[in-house]
Amino acid sequence: GQQVMQIPQYQHVQEGEDFTTYCNSSTTLSNIQWYKQRPGGHPVFLIQLVKSGEVKKQKRLTFQFGEAKKNSSLHITATQTTDVGTYFCAGPHNAGNMLTFGGGTRLMVKP
Amino acid sequence: DAGVTQSPTHLIKTRGQQVTLRCSPKSGHDTVSWYQQALGQGPQFIFQYYEEEERQRGNFPDRFSGHQFPNYSSELNVNALLLGDSALYLCASSLVTGSSTDTQYFGPGTRLTVL
Repeated sequence: GQQVMQIPQYQHVQEGEDFTTYCNSSTTLSNIQWYKQRPGGHPVFLIQLVKSGEVKKQKRLTFQFGEAKKNSSLHITATQTTDVGTYFCAGPHNAGNMLTFGGGTRLMVKP
Repeated sequence: DAGVTQSPTHLIKTRGQQVTLRCSPKSGHDTVSWYQQALGQGPQFIFQYYEEEERQRGNFPDRFSGHQFPNYSSELNVNALLLGDSALYLCASSLVTGSSTDTQYFGPGTRLTVL
């Protein structure tokens, strides 16, 4: 079945440093979605990418969808302590909008 | 505009017992999906309900069952609980147009501990 992998599993950064997490799917995706989960919280939808090679920005966050629609990345510029949490990518599961999630990248920011 | 709500927040059960978790979707949404999130892992899809029927199911045993009511709210039932069922159970709602781009909105989850 479809598998979604994320690296790294953990990342410690100093506040102000950049951060990137990478997502790879075993199958071509119709779209890729990114979620953020704060410690003790639930996944919160960040963004969806649909087109091959698409790049979207949200303030300090830059999201990319690969040309082959099998990989994606999230880059955070100049991290802040408010960026702490686990970032998940997810792709649709077969037909419909049910999601297969990656294992997540846990970001820790030292002030 | 009320978001997705779930009850209870926390629950402690013992092995072999049965549990029922509840979810009310975001206003205007008609579809509910359930996910299990074990500690340190990503959510795993259990099943999705639309028009009071199970629309699709993930790789979970028959001990996991669900129901959707006419008001679109949903229940997740787990029978014969195992220690490995300890997890955060997340409900996500969406308004289905039939597209894989339909965004899902997650509730706060129910933390189930099986002793």
